[in-house]
Amino acid sequence: EVQLVESGGGLVKPGASLKLSCVASGFTFSDYWMSWVRQTPGKTMEWIGDIKYDGSYTNYAPSLKNRFTISRDNAKSTLYLQMSNVRSEDTATYYCTRPFAYWGQGTLVTVSS
Amino acid sequence: DVVMTQTPVSLSLAIGQPASISCKSSQSLLGTSGKTFLNWILQRPGQSPKRLIYQVSKLYSEVPDRFSGSGSETEFTLKISRVEAEDLGVYYCWQGTHFPYTFGAGTKLELK
Repeated sequence: EVQLVESGGGLVKPGASLKLSCVASGFTFSDYWMSWVRQTPGKTMEWIGDIKYDGSYTNYAPSLKNRFTISRDNAKSTLYLQMSNVRSEDTATYYCTRPFAYWGQGTLVTVSS
Repeated sequence: DVVMTQTPVSLSLAIGQPASISCKSSQSLLGTSGKTFLNWILQRPGQSPKRLIYQVSKLYSEVPDRFSGSGSETEFTLKISRVEAEDLGVYYCWQGTHFPYTFGAGTKLELK
């Protein structure tokens, strides 16, 4: 059974940095592109970006490219999202996905002073 | 960015009734590969999204055949032949043809 389990969310202050993790199981992690998607409190879905199976290539939403970095550790079957200089509009539930097919349960990030 | 427009915003239906949700894109989703990456997902209350349909009309194996998807280029439709209680939630279309990938605003299916 494919499982994606995110962690690392919480309450952070504007301007801070935060790193989210997603541990994958039930499939060969290193065979798949992986992505991050977020959902705002108003339920709007936004694609953040994705990363090639070997970590050699990434794509980002232009609006987030300068502050968010996606990486992976195939030895640990783990996907990461490094968020920097966070803003109130980054408040959302962050989902790890195996694109088009599987979604994690999400981790909530709240940006507030 | 490709704008995905879903209608209606909400649907209130009785069990057994058919449902239809429209999704229109601001540009063609036919990719250079000849494939159209238009997908549907369902988010039940309090849950994370679940996959339903990929490439316009292909159902994932666990999805009941009362669901169907159709369309091409810029106009797509999700249909449920007979709504069941487990179908309630918010349906989103999203496109994976053009970067950045984008989502519709969602259609909330409620049971009457």
